Amino acid sequence: DAGITQSPRHKVTETGTPVTLRCHQTENHRYMYWYRQDPGHGLRLIHYSYGVKDTDKGEVSDGYSVSRSKTEDFLLTLESATSSQTSVYFCAISGLAGVLADTQYFGPGTRLTVL
Amino acid sequence: KQEVTQIPAALSVPEGENLVLNCSFTDSAIYNLQWFRQDPGKGLTSLLLIQSSQREQTSGRLNASLDKSSGRSTLYIAASQPGDSATYLCAVSSSASKIIFGSGTRLSIRP
Repeated sequence: DAGITQSPRHKVTETGTPVTLRCHQTENHRYMYWYRQDPGHGLRLIHYSYGVKDTDKGEVSDGYSVSRSKTEDFLLTLESATSSQTSVYFCAISGLAGVLADTQYFGPGTRLTVL
Repeated sequence: KQEVTQIPAALSVPEGENLVLNCSFTDSAIYNLQWFRQDPGKGLTSLLLIQSSQREQTSGRLNASLDKSSGRSTLYIAASQPGDSATYLCAVSSSASKIIFGSGTRLSIRP
């Protein structure tokens, strides 16, 4: 398996609080992604990064921001968490030639509950 | 807008059977299609990646086909085993920010 870790693995927080999720890879892959998975909606892309400090929006980016200051770390921040952001969050990486030609490898996920 | 559909949503078959999972997409302008497996409470594991220029890919007992013109892909599993029980998802990529997943087929193999 690709070396991808996510932290924390579980988090319970209250509405209005900031939350940061971390994705760490040891594979030196260029591309990193954040997805959320919800019943009835499947997996949806939140943000992705195509290099250090290079990020772009996905399908459901409202309410989320990201940062990538190092190749190995991709952070997802909920500035003010809402109950609608309760979900399972997955990080993924790809890199040999970018998503257009390469396999995506997924992390184990973070289960976030916003009360 | 690209839409990816997987039918059926759930499937139960006895051990040893060969089976086919289906994935359909509405926009044929894709770069690749990927099949994943997801076990309960776990992340996704990549099974097969088919480039838009390819017709099929094989890995062990798995064979995935792609027909862009008809907007269809199939995942064929030979000689199914209880360990194959999982949710299978397909995902279609048309650009770096346009990766659309199907909602998956939940497969159960009965011993």
